[in-house]
Amino acid sequence: AQKVTQAQTEISVVEKEDVTLDCVYETRDTTYYLFWYKQPPSGELVFLIRRNSFDEQNEISGRYSWNFQKSTSSFNFTITASQVVDSAVYFCALTLNTGNQFYFGTGTSLTVIP
Amino acid sequence: DTGVSQDPRHKITKRGQNVTFRCDPISEHNRLYWYRQTLGQGPEFLTYFQNEAQLEKSRLLSDRFSAERPKGSFSTLEIQRTEQGDSAMYLCASSLGSGSYNEQFFGPGTRLTVL
Repeated sequence: AQKVTQAQTEISVVEKEDVTLDCVYETRDTTYYLFWYKQPPSGELVFLIRRNSFDEQNEISGRYSWNFQKSTSSFNFTITASQVVDSAVYFCALTLNTGNQFYFGTGTSLTVIP
Repeated sequence: DTGVSQDPRHKITKRGQNVTFRCDPISEHNRLYWYRQTLGQGPEFLTYFQNEAQLEKSRLLSDRFSAERPKGSFSTLEIQRTEQGDSAMYLCASSLGSGSYNEQFFGPGTRLTVL
């Protein structure tokens, strides 16, 4: 069975602080894909990144960076110099190469305080 | 706007009534997904279509739920004899391609409240 765990339910940081959102996944498949989505107060899920299980290179996109470690089954997301607009619920998700659905974590609600 | 659209955005109904939601995916997307999201939880998969064919249904999708995508374009999700436990946000997503690894584009959701 597949499972995604986001142990941090809520995080609050002061603007300009760095923050890391944790994601741990479980699967026995060797080929899988990991995603991060952002859900702002408006409700619409916004795609942030996708990684496949064979690509462990970390990725940086502006203030966002992702650390994928197969050894610990983790795909963590760091926001550098957080801004108020980063306030949202962030979801980590897993899908299998052989499957047809996303398995979402329960989300981490991030509040950036000005 | 060329994103995924859903209608209505909000629906309040009384227990026992039937409701129908509509999703219009991004026009060239051949895959369409339905999810349910309750407060404090991530989206849970309900079903998906590849063009007009419904290829997979979750165990969450009881007999009171039915989904269609008659011409491989828009889709409808109907809930019959609604129960209070059906109150949730119903999300639609679409993607292009034949694999689940493709990015899914989500609509704004339909929030259902069953009184």
